[in-house]
Amino acid sequence: AQTVTQSQPEMSVQEAETVTLSCTYDTSENNYYLFWYKQPPSRQMILVIRQEAYKQQNATENRFSVNFQKAAKSFSLKISDSQLGDTAMYFCACTNTGNQFYFGTGTSLTVIP
Amino acid sequence: KAGVTQTPRYLIKTRGQQVTLSCSPISGHRSVSWYQQTPGQGLQFLFEYFSETQRNKGNFPGRFSGRQFSNSRSEMNVSTLELGDSALYLCASSLGGQKTDTQYFGPGTRLTVL
Repeated sequence: AQTVTQSQPEMSVQEAETVTLSCTYDTSENNYYLFWYKQPPSRQMILVIRQEAYKQQNATENRFSVNFQKAAKSFSLKISDSQLGDTAMYFCACTNTGNQFYFGTGTSLTVIP
Repeated sequence: KAGVTQTPRYLIKTRGQQVTLSCSPISGHRSVSWYQQTPGQGLQFLFEYFSETQRNKGNFPGRFSGRQFSNSRSEMNVSTLELGDSALYLCASSLGGQKTDTQYFGPGTRLTVL
C-alpha cells in the first residue's frame, strides 16, 4: 500500500512572500505520478501541478513549482509571490499503476494581507 | 463544458438509514472515482468505475457500494449508516482513468448522520 504524509496541518504566509509545503510518500512502485491539489474554502478541488516520477526535472506552473527528491521520496510545493487567492487546503497525492489515488491529510494555507 | 456535478449537495440522515449519492462526470469522461473526506483523515479512496465496471476499490466495508451507468453517471450507496460515515463525499472524473489524466472534482455531497 502507498502512503502520503503531510506533516504541516496549518501554515501561513504573508502576501507576496514564498512558502513551501512539505509532502513525503512511500511506494514500492517504479512508475507513479505525484500531484498537488488545491481546495479553496467551499470551492471545488482543482489540480495545481503534477510530476511524473521518471522525470528528473521539477515541474513548474507559473508561481507554483515542486522540489521532487525521488530517493528521499519527498515532493514539496513552493508557492512564490503568494496571493490572497492561494488561501486553501492543499493536498499532496500519489497514484500508481492501478490508477488509484492516495492523498495526504492536507495542509491548510492562509495568506495574510 | 459543464463541470462535474454532484447531487444532493447536503444530506442529513439518521443511523441505520441508507443513502444514495449521484455524480455526473464531465461530458466525454468515462472514469469516475469516489472519495470520502473527513477532517484529519484527508481523502480516502472508495472506488473507481470505468465503462460501467468497478476497476479499483479502497478499504471500505461492504456497506459502501456504487455503480456506473452507460452515460458514465455514477451513484454511490451507503447502507446502514453509522455516525462515522458523516463526511464530505467527493467524486472525480477523468477521460480514461489513466494516471496521466487529470482528475476533475465535483463540489461534493456533505452527509451528516445523526
